[in-house]
Amino acid sequence: SQQGEEDPQALSIQEGENATMNCSYKTSINNLQWYRQNSGRGLVHLILIRSNEREKHSGRLRVTLDTSKKSSSLLITASRAADTASYFCATDNQAGTALIFGKGTTLSVSS
Amino acid sequence: EAQVTQNPRYLITVTGKKLTVTCSQNMNHEYMSWYRQDPGLGLRQIYYSMNVEVTDKGDVPEGYKVSRKEKRNFPLILESPSPNQTSLYFCASSLRAGANYGYTFGSGTRLTVV
Repeated sequence: SQQGEEDPQALSIQEGENATMNCSYKTSINNLQWYRQNSGRGLVHLILIRSNEREKHSGRLRVTLDTSKKSSSLLITASRAADTASYFCATDNQAGTALIFGKGTTLSVSS
Repeated sequence: EAQVTQNPRYLITVTGKKLTVTCSQNMNHEYMSWYRQDPGLGLRQIYYSMNVEVTDKGDVPEGYKVSRKEKRNFPLILESPSPNQTSLYFCASSLRAGANYGYTFGSGTRLTVV
């Protein structure tokens, strides 16, 4: 099934540094989404990038999409301790009836 | 405030005792879905609903039931819970199905079946 796979699995950085997470997927997509999950809590939608877009910004977030490589990246600039969370990319399943989530990248930002 | 409300937040129950996890959204979303999240397995879809009275199985539907009698509510029913259903459950809603629309998730229900 279509599924995003995030890389790295875990990332530890200092406050103020940038964090980059990558997502690879297997088949053609319409759009790709990124979500954040604080420990044990519900996922929060961060950003949606359409297949005809190459880059999108939202505050300190920058998402890129390379459909030729079937990959996306999420950059968080000037990280804060509050950014500590797991980050997931998500794409449609083939039937269009569900978002399929990757296993996530766990980001730890220390002060 | 636009939100998906799940209850209860935590639940410990015994094998075989029927339970219902409620889910309600106030955004007039057509699409609703249940996921379970397990370490190493990630998020897996249990059931989904495209609209009122329209439900269908996701990837892991065994042992679960759902209903969608009203647009806002989408309860998850475990008629005879077993220990392998111990998990973190999430309800989500979206304007419509598909990756064109972001999902709004509930805060989760941590279920333990002993």
